[in-house]
Amino acid sequence: EVQLVESGGGLVQPGGSLRLSCAASGLTFSNSWMSWVRQAPGKGLEWVANIKQDGSENYYVDSVKGRFTISRDHAKNSLYLQMNSLRAEDTAVYYCAKIGHYWYFDLWGRGTLVTVSS
Amino acid sequence: EIVLTQSPGTLSLSPGEGATLSCRASQSVSSSYLAWYQQKPGQAPRLLIYAASSRATGIPDRFGGSGSGTDFTLTITRLEPEDFAVYYCQQYGSSQITFGPGTKVDIK
Repeated sequence: EVQLVESGGGLVQPGGSLRLSCAASGLTFSNSWMSWVRQAPGKGLEWVANIKQDGSENYYVDSVKGRFTISRDHAKNSLYLQMNSLRAEDTAVYYCAKIGHYWYFDLWGRGTLVTVSS
Repeated sequence: EIVLTQSPGTLSLSPGEGATLSCRASQSVSSSYLAWYQQKPGQAPRLLIYAASSRATGIPDRFGGSGSGTDFTLTITRLEPEDFAVYYCQQYGSSQITFGPGTKVDIK
């Protein structure tokens, strides 16, 4: 079965750090750009970051630049998001998503909830 | 950054009726890079339409996409009970991706 499974979410204090993981199975992980997309409670979708197949390029939404780092490990078929200096406004469900040929998201995980609160 | 605006915010319709959802961009978007998603409560989004008018795998033909430049439309010809959800448009340009705020289609 083709799937993406996120993990690593939880409750963290403002200023803290968290590392999210996404395990890919049933697909050729190394062939695709990958992304993180988040959704604050009751709000819409927000793209967070992209990473190229070989990890040589990555892009971020302005609000997380300098605080979040996207990475990938082909040996583990896994995508990561290192989140530092977390703020209350980073509270959201974080989805791992595969990027299709025309820059759409054609496969999504079920998401992992990150709550930033004291 | 390209800002996407969706209208209406909420569409109240009955099963069997048709729906027309609008997505307007603050500047021109390549049609190749405009997509639509459906999201139901507690679920991840599902890709419906990519490249403005191509249906994703397994999407019924009652869903259709059209448009170019700054104006794009998602059309649902006959609403089924499972179509009541929130719909988002999404674009890619200059290494950045943005989503519209969504249109909620609910049961009248």
